Amino acid sequence: DQQVKQNSPSLSVQEGRISILNCDYTNSMFDYFLWYKKYPAEGPTFLISISSIKDKNEDGRFTVFLNKSAKHLSLHIVPSQPGDSAVYFCAASGSLTGTASKLTFGTGTRLQVTL
Amino acid sequence: DVKVTQSSRYLVKRTGEKVFLECVQDMDHENMFWYRQDPGLGLRLIYFSYDVKMKEKGDIPEGYSVSREKKERFSLILESASTNQTSMYLCASTPLRGSYEQYFGPGTRLTVT
Repeated sequence: DQQVKQNSPSLSVQEGRISILNCDYTNSMFDYFLWYKKYPAEGPTFLISISSIKDKNEDGRFTVFLNKSAKHLSLHIVPSQPGDSAVYFCAASGSLTGTASKLTFGTGTRLQVTL
Repeated sequence: DVKVTQSSRYLVKRTGEKVFLECVQDMDHENMFWYRQDPGLGLRLIYFSYDVKMKEKGDIPEGYSVSREKKERFSLILESASTNQTSMYLCASTPLRGSYEQYFGPGTRLTVT
């Protein structure tokens, strides 16, 4: 049962335009959401996050929007650059064991930014 | 900068072999995680540990075990490797309670033949 879903396996966007990556979740206990970026042959790196008490968080060219009622979040990249070409994973957390916050990841969206 | 290292980038093993994947972090983090990444399935949690000698099963622990004898080191063990364990294995760590951001190592691509 996929609790975090990224329904678009791939996305192609022209340089300078907006990239919008979407993520849906089913578990209403999730209260913190993150986006990770992954280049080939490297581990994922943290990009941006949002708590469920907010509906928007912005960091430079990256903005994450959260719609709790729809259980939907999106990552906007403006303007898109060729270096943004990577796989983007959405992740969600809501459980705590010991001091560890478990993350549940989506299946990823491969973004290609073309010249 | 947080550094998470994994013992091998690429590994080829035979079916039935016992396989050890090592992960070391240098930031005194409490929590450590092992994931596998497969196309179309994203990252799936195998095991995690929130303290030395403490371990918890993740979503897909079958066929795996772990060991955490020292705070900085978390080992993933495939007791008897099978071809369906061919995958990219990623280790991650986080500091104390309340920290969601996980720092990942570069990954080990394991092929079981």
